[in-house]
Amino acid sequence: DAGVIQSPRHEVTEMGQEVTLRCKPISGHNSLFWYRQTMMRGLELLIYFNNNVPIDDSGMPEDRFSAKMPNASFSTLKIQPSEPRDSAVYFCASTSLVGGNQPQHFGDGTRLSIL
Amino acid sequence: QQQVKQSPQSLIVQKGGISIINCAYENTAFDYFPWYQQFPGKGPALLIAIRPDVSEKKEGRFTISFNKSAKQFSLHIMDSQPGDSATYFCAASKGTYKYIFGTGTRLKVLA
Repeated sequence: DAGVIQSPRHEVTEMGQEVTLRCKPISGHNSLFWYRQTMMRGLELLIYFNNNVPIDDSGMPEDRFSAKMPNASFSTLKIQPSEPRDSAVYFCASTSLVGGNQPQHFGDGTRLSIL
Repeated sequence: QQQVKQSPQSLIVQKGGISIINCAYENTAFDYFPWYQQFPGKGPALLIAIRPDVSEKKEGRFTISFNKSAKQFSLHIMDSQPGDSATYFCAASKGTYKYIFGTGTRLKVLA
C-alpha cells in the first residue's frame, strides 16, 4: 500500500517567495495532520483536518501560514511570504479515527530552506 | 501539563546491548502512548504503542514498560543492532488526535 506522499522532497527558495507543500494521505484515512520539525522545537503540530475540515489550527505560527484540504486525497500547506525562520522539515501524517486511537502515519517530509 | 519529557537526549550502546529510553508525562488524561522511530531523511514511523490499562507490551526486541502511578513509560530495545541506530520519539495523546511528542533520543549502536 502506498504511504503518505509528500512533494516536493526538498525546496529551496528566497525569502519573500510563496511556498506550497503538498500531501496525499493514505487512501481511506479521514484525518490529516501537518507538522513542522526543527532542532530547537522538535515536532510541532501545525494543523489537523478531519473529514477535510480544519479542526485545530492553533499550531499555525502566524497568518503567513495557511492550509487547505479540498478533498480527501489532497492537502496543501502554503507559506506566503516565506522567511528564513520558516526553514524546517514539514511532515504530513494521516490516520483513520474510526475505532478510537489509531497511529498516525507520516510521509517522508519536505525539507524547506528559505534563503 | 501538556509536556512529555524524554531522556536521554542521546545514547550510545554496544551491539547486543539493551537500549533504554525514558519518558514522563503530567497529564493523567493521556490514554495512548506511541513510540516512533525516525531514520535520517525519513518520516517518523510507528514502532510500538501502549494504552494505560497494561503495564508492558512487547513486540519482538522492542518492549514498552508503563508505570501509571509514576506517570512514566519507557522503551527497551533488547539485543540492540546497528540497524536500530535512529532517533526515537515518545508521544502521548488524549483521545483522538493531538500527539504531544517528546524531544527525541538519538541512538547509536556500535558494531
